[in-house]
This record gives sequence, structure tokens and C-alpha cells, in this order.
Amino acid sequence: GQSLEQPSEVTAVEGAIVQINCTYQTSGFYGLSWYQQHDGGAPTFLSYNALDGLEETGRFSSFLSRSDSYGYLLLQELQMKDSASYFCAVRAGNTGFQKLVFGTGTRLLVSP
Amino acid sequence: DVKVTQSSRYLVKRTGEKVFLECVQDMDHENMFWYRQDPGLGLRLIYFSYDVKMKEKGDIPEGYSVSREKKERFSLILESASTNQTSMYLCASSPRGFNQPQHFGDGTRLSIL
Repeated sequence: GQSLEQPSEVTAVEGAIVQINCTYQTSGFYGLSWYQQHDGGAPTFLSYNALDGLEETGRFSSFLSRSDSYGYLLLQELQMKDSASYFCAVRAGNTGFQKLVFGTGTRLLVSP
Repeated sequence: DVKVTQSSRYLVKRTGEKVFLECVQDMDHENMFWYRQDPGLGLRLIYFSYDVKMKEKGDIPEGYSVSREKKERFSLILESASTNQTSMYLCASSPRGFNQPQHFGDGTRLSIL
């Protein structure tokens, strides 16, 4: 089976940097994804890491260490609109199926 | 932009009713998924489909069934609704391919009374 752990809540102020960690246990690991979900909205895809290292997309970066079964999402220059829930997800199963297993989510609260 | 449309935003049904949740995507995606989302539990996969008429059980399929008669439409069926099926239901789709992101609908908040 698969399991993921991430903090339930993180708080930060505008302009700051915040890191949301995710540790996972899975058989047949194929990559770590991050999704953002605003209250009442649909989850939206942020990033995907299949290989070790840092992937940068604007203010957001995602890191993966497969040897440590660990990844994180880094949000820089925080804005109020970044207040949302963030889910890490591992891609599992055989290569024929695109099944994702999600963590329980981290609620990010950005204050002025 | 990919559009995943769920037929209802809010739905209220009674215990024992047969409930249909509909999802349509407009991007010719091969894969479609149904999740339920509950506070503190994240998104849990109920069923998914990788092609027309094909379906696979997810992590919590009990009490649910699905139908995919056309590529663009994926239906979730609650055969006999129970109060523990009160939840937010999210549909998603993705193209075939190893690292393709999933695109989600806005969700259906279902209440079973």
C-alpha cells in the first residue's frame, strides 16, 4: 500500500517563504505531484517530480529525494491568494494506469 | 483549457435512493477518475477508468459503481445511498501518458439524509 504524511496546517506572512514537507511510503514509486485547492474550488496541478532534485516554476518550487522518500513544495514571495490547501500525491500502480494516492493535505494560511 | 464538468454542485438525497453523479470532460482524455474528499482524509480514489467500458476499483469502491459508455462521460452510481456517503465528490480526467496531470471538476457536495 501507499501512505503519505504532510503537516495539517502551516501559517506564514505575506512576502515570506514557506516549505511544505511530504514523506511517503509506497511500492512502485513513479513520481511525486503537488496540487493546490482553494476553499470551494477544484484541485489544480502545480508540479511533478520523477527524478531527484529541484523543479522551479515561478514562485513555486518542488523538490524530491527518492532515497529519503521525501519531497517538499517551496512557496516564495507569499501572497494572500496562496492561502489554500496543498496536497502531495504519489503515482502508484503499474505503468498502464495513472493512479494517484493523495496525502491528507496541508492548509496554508497567509496573513498580511 | 481542459474543462471537466460535474452535473450538480449540490445534491440532497435520501437514504436508500439510487444516486447518479455525472461527469463530462471535453479534452478527449483516456483516463477518468472519481474521488471523494472528506475533512482530514484528503482525496480518496473510488473508481477509475482508462478507456470506454473499462473500469478499475480504487481504494474505497464499496457501495459505489461506475459507468463509462462514452469516452467523455464517467458516471458514479450510489446503488443505495447511506448517510456515510455524505461527502464532496470530485471527478478528474487525464490523458494517457506517464506524467500527465489530472484535471478536476468543481465537485458535487452530496448530502444523504
